[in-house]
Amino acid sequence: DAMVIQNPRYQVTQFGKPVTLSCSQTLNHNVMYWYQQKSSQAPKLLFHYYDKDFNNEADTPDNFQSRRPNTSFCFLDIRSPGLGDAAMYLCATSRSPFKRGSSYEQYFGPGTRLTVT
Amino acid sequence: QKEVEQNSGPLSVPEGAIASLNCTYSDRGSQSFFWYRQYSGKSPELIMSIYSNGDKEDGRFTAQLNKASQYVSLLIRDSQPSDSATYLCAVNPGYGNKLVFGAGTILRVKS
Repeated sequence: DAMVIQNPRYQVTQFGKPVTLSCSQTLNHNVMYWYQQKSSQAPKLLFHYYDKDFNNEADTPDNFQSRRPNTSFCFLDIRSPGLGDAAMYLCATSRSPFKRGSSYEQYFGPGTRLTVT
Repeated sequence: QKEVEQNSGPLSVPEGAIASLNCTYSDRGSQSFFWYRQYSGKSPELIMSIYSNGDKEDGRFTAQLNKASQYVSLLIRDSQPSDSATYLCAVNPGYGNKLVFGAGTILRVKS
């Protein structure tokens, strides 16, 4: 089955120790997204790639970076995790929009729960 | 500020009843609307998408869109305990490839 895969599912890191989360997809979607979701809150978009075009949200801290080496894979790097970065990190994919200002459905991976000690 | 607003709930309904979940959005240019279900500790799962005014039905789910009132709703017929989850409304704000999510409504279906 076509799907979005995230690894690891659970990640524990130390304060200030860099961590990388990965996402892969077999849907062949050209748009990939990274969200942060804290308990009882809406998913918050960090950035997204439209093909190789990187789009950062204005309020995403510089501590968060991303790489997309090919269509299938996308990585989230947290350079110096703080206690406030503990959250569920969600990767999602979609096809490119059918017209300007619209959106196709986004499909989420299972998420990576990050704990910072 | 582009916003999507939902009543946080919890909304409690008895098994077999109709659950009605509501969402309002602020950007009149919005063109794409989605409902996601999220179980505790899991990722959001897409259950409905709607792009035009009116109703769209899929099994026990009906999405309703009224762009003039900037309002989108989700009806769940014959609610089951397994429908107990948080329901997230998501809206494309009319630009870019992204969605703005509401904080979600907690639904509890009592058997």
